[in-house]
Amino acid sequence: EPEVTQTPSHQVTQMGQEVILRCVPISNHLYFYWYRQILGQKVEFLVSFYNNEISEKSEIFDDQFSVERPDGSNFTLKIRSTKLEDSAMYFCASSVYGTGGANVLTFGAGSRLTVL
Amino acid sequence: GENVEQHPSTLSVQEGDSAVIKCTYSDSASNYFPWYKQELGKRPQLIIDIRSNVGEKKDQRIAVTLNKTAKHFSLHITETQPEDSAVYFCAARNYGGSQGNLIFGKGTKLSVKP
Repeated sequence: EPEVTQTPSHQVTQMGQEVILRCVPISNHLYFYWYRQILGQKVEFLVSFYNNEISEKSEIFDDQFSVERPDGSNFTLKIRSTKLEDSAMYFCASSVYGTGGANVLTFGAGSRLTVL
Repeated sequence: GENVEQHPSTLSVQEGDSAVIKCTYSDSASNYFPWYKQELGKRPQLIIDIRSNVGEKKDQRIAVTLNKTAKHFSLHITETQPEDSAVYFCAARNYGGSQGNLIFGKGTKLSVKP
């Protein structure tokens, strides 16, 4: 069964540092997403991405966040100048269809970010 | 925007009993309602979903019901087993909105006691 893969599985960083989380979506999927989950809390939408541009972003996705599809396979989330409250599990997801279609999201295993 | 409320936050049942988790949503335009199961330290995995053109869907021991008028949907697990123990999240999405902006409930931690 195809999977969404994420690296690293766990990253520890100092406050103020930049981190890049990487994702390889399922190959025939066209829509990509980042969600985050603070420990013990619900999964929260950050951003959706289609056709090399952001489709929608939440209030959480402020100027310190950016996404990029640098090549045909990777989808990255960059967090500039990390803060303590950025500590969370970050999930990448992808889907075949978007609006109006059978939009089943497949999640990756997550990247746990710890900001010290 | 959409808001999803989920109850209960924790649920403990004996093996073999049924478990019911309920969610309500606020946006009447929402039309896709998936349920995800998340085992400790693992990714959320879709277990069942329902679209607004149907009222009920069943897959073996799992069923989901949707009441569009009342704006609530429920997950029913029958003949629970210890491996059903996990956190279950409901979610809602508006087809007319973004491609996949699922709004999740806060989750229900289900414990099935042998």
